[in-house]
Amino acid sequence: ETGVTQTPRHLVMGMTNKKSLKCEQHLGHNAMYWYKQSAKKPLELMFVYNFKEQTENNSVPSRFSPECPNSSHLFLHLHTLQPEDSALYLCASSQTGSATNEKLFFGSGTQLSVL
Amino acid sequence: QQQVKQSPQSLIVQKGGISIINCAYENTAFDYFPWYQQFPGKGPALLIAIRPDVSEKKEGRFTISFNKSAKQFSLHIMDSQPGDSATYFCAASLTGSWGKLQFGAGTQVVVTP
Repeated sequence: ETGVTQTPRHLVMGMTNKKSLKCEQHLGHNAMYWYKQSAKKPLELMFVYNFKEQTENNSVPSRFSPECPNSSHLFLHLHTLQPEDSALYLCASSQTGSATNEKLFFGSGTQLSVL
Repeated sequence: QQQVKQSPQSLIVQKGGISIINCAYENTAFDYFPWYQQFPGKGPALLIAIRPDVSEKKEGRFTISFNKSAKQFSLHIMDSQPGDSATYFCAASLTGSWGKLQFGAGTQVVVTP
């Protein structure tokens, strides 16, 4: 398996459920990201992890809880979500630390529907 | 406040035609401007990128034009093909910002046979 893999591809959950999104990168990168993609809106950066340490939380509600156990794995734990949280959640990775700008490699995303 | 504004929201072009997508940015400190291409069911993938020290960059049929004084940049797709049908996102960032891109809202391009 190569690139960035996200599971599940689709998820339907009720507002009282707890679920988790998983992301794994096989590129040897040291940074991982969660982005939210809603229809006709710009991609929104949610969280950034660099060498397993969270370096950015873009004012994301606490019902979204990220976890990065190592540089290859990233999770997004979900609980008591709202219908407006329905969106495509994208994971990305990059190799940071160089003088040039990082190229992001995205997974195919998890399409989340909150009922 | 949306830092990168993209237009049009969608466009239809005939095979062989030119697709043009425009973006404008607010932050004059941005120094990296990539374009990402996204096919249905896939995540975005880097297509081409430019830095403000050049006014144009070309890779195959894809060209970025950059106007620093106007704070605008555009993507031109020459000889558009049906396989180019996708959503295109412009973005902007600062060097060393750890991949924190400011994205435009996207343009859905449909190339008709």
